[in-house]
Amino acid sequence: AQSVSQHNHHVILSEAASLELGCNYSYGGTVNLFWYVQYPGQHLQLLLKYFSGDPLVKGIKGFEAEFIKSKFSFNLRKPSVQWSDTAEYFCAVRRGSTLGRLYFGRGTQLTVWP
Amino acid sequence: GAGVSQTPSNKVTEKGKYVELRCDPISGHTALYWYRQSLGQGPEFLIYFQGTGAADDSGLPNDRFFAVRPEGSVSTLKIQRTERGDSAVYLCASSPQGGGPYEQYFGPGTRLTVT
Repeated sequence: AQSVSQHNHHVILSEAASLELGCNYSYGGTVNLFWYVQYPGQHLQLLLKYFSGDPLVKGIKGFEAEFIKSKFSFNLRKPSVQWSDTAEYFCAVRRGSTLGRLYFGRGTQLTVWP
Repeated sequence: GAGVSQTPSNKVTEKGKYVELRCDPISGHTALYWYRQSLGQGPEFLIYFQGTGAADDSGLPNDRFFAVRPEGSVSTLKIQRTERGDSAVYLCASSPQGGGPYEQYFGPGTRLTVT
């Protein structure tokens, strides 16, 4: 069973549309949360991360995510997408009890039409 | 500075052969990770090194897989008696240390195809 769930496997939007990608995890206890992005032909790179403090975190390129502990969720949002946001997005969780390893969701392919 | 590098970028091998995949982490990063990504899936953890030692090898699927990091820098993932099911992209990542508020920096991956 998936420990990190990304329910949207493929999302198609027009430019300027708003985006929300869901991420849920099934671990209790302390977690660190990440969103990584993989643009076509490029390697995984970090969009944003949450370790502690303000549950609303802002990342690069206008992305943000909100950690809702009671819902075990860390959804990614962007108010207005651009064609250049076309990529695959991965949610990842690091459990507080494990040294460093990340648990990834299966990814969401975002396609933005100009 | 230079990011994580991996060689080769592509490797095609025949079933039953032995392969080695190399990872060169960011200079000064003590933590190094190997992941495997199959088509349509997210990366799956294989092994984590802190310095020269494997701190967590619980993700290695079986004893055909082995990894080393003898000097605490470059790491090699070794796969014996390859099987078609081993075909995947093998990703390496590094981090300043294993815990703490650090992200993992990923390399471009090695695409392994077993025919």
